[in-house]
This record gives sequence, C-alpha cells and structure tokens, in this order.
Amino acid sequence: AIRMTQSPSSFSASTGDRVTITCRASQGISSYLAWYQQKPGKAPKLLIYAASTLQSGVPSRFSGSGSGTDFTLTISCLQSEDFATYYCQQYYSYPPLTFGGGTKVEIK
Amino acid sequence: EVQLVESGGGLVQPGGSLRLSCAASGFTFSSYEMNWVRQAPGKGLEWVSYISSSGSTIYYADSVKGRFTISRDNAKNSLYLQMNSLRAEDTAVYYCARQARPGPTSDWGQGTLVTVSS
Repeated sequence: AIRMTQSPSSFSASTGDRVTITCRASQGISSYLAWYQQKPGKAPKLLIYAASTLQSGVPSRFSGSGSGTDFTLTISCLQSEDFATYYCQQYYSYPPLTFGGGTKVEIK
Repeated sequence: EVQLVESGGGLVQPGGSLRLSCAASGFTFSSYEMNWVRQAPGKGLEWVSYISSSGSTIYYADSVKGRFTISRDNAKNSLYLQMNSLRAEDTAVYYCARQARPGPTSDWGQGTLVTVSS
C-alpha cells in the first residue's frame, strides 16, 4: 500500500498568512494526488485534484503543486473560513485508496 | 446538484450487523464508481470499500475484508454496505463518495454514524 505522510500535523496561523502543507508519498504517484478540506462535523470537500487542478468553485487562493512523491498545498492569504483540517489522497494505485493523516490549521 | 445521502447508522453491539445505504441523485448513478470511507471519532479518513459502476469490480480494505460487503442497485440509484461481525474499532462516521476514475473521490455524502458498543 502507498503511504501518504503529511506535515505538519497541525499549526497555528493568522488571517492573511501564506501557509503551506506538504504531503509525501511512499512511492511515485505521478500527479494522482488530491487535497480535501474538512470542517468539524462536515464531509470532506475536494479542493484540488491532479496535484494542481482547482476544483470548480474553489477560491484561487488555494493552489497545489508537485509530482512523483512530493506535493504541497498552499493557501496564499488565509481567510477565517479556511481554518479546517486538510487531507491529501493518492488515487494512483489502489486498493487501498490512501489518505494522509491530516493537517489541522488553527487560529493563532 | 449532486446529492449523496447516507442512512442506516446507529448503535450496535459487538458481533452485530448493520446495513448502510447511500441514496444518490442529481447525476447518472450507473456511470460512476462508488466508495465507502470512514472516519473514527477524532481520527483521519480511512478508505473502506470500492465498487465499479457496473458492480463487477469490488475492493475492500484489509481491516474489513470478509466482514463487510459492498453492493449497488443502479435501478434504485443506491449504494449499500452490509457490515457483519462488527467490532468496537468499526465505530466511525461512514461516508459514501462518488468517483470517476482516473479521478479522485469528488463528492461525498454527509455521513452516518456507526457506534459499536455494549
């Protein structure tokens, strides 16, 4: 199974900050990488797929990059509604479909 | 508008069974692959099972293999998860999620909570 490792697991930031979350795959997954946002009590919401393609309706302050084993999610100017937990997911090879452990972005 | 609505969760004793349903609307259900993904309280996301659009290909996570059965009824626009021999570690919110491979799981339901406890 392909293991997905996210870092950091949590951090605090302020509105207006530029933040970056990283995700590393245990083997190459080309660009078959998605990012999700999840708020408490809600289902995950797809933000980015194919490593860098923004899902329809997602604000342009979100961006993704990377290929192979190393990926990043960047929020260029953090807004209050962006405080949430973010997950990466590989869909290159499964079963199993695998997720990173999550990164919780908290208010400083 | 794509809608996925899970139902069937609840409290069940260890060793018991439960059948989850996911009602789909707003898209051509028979054209999409479907997955079940779960999330234990305070934990991350764990993929549980996959079924192809026709139902001919099925996968399970090792943690549920032999105990859970995924199925679908394209005429009823519905996805199911039969869960047998339930354990405390199966306690989680269960989400159904649609997929169009080679893409990711693009749309998720609101989830249904399964609690396994005596």
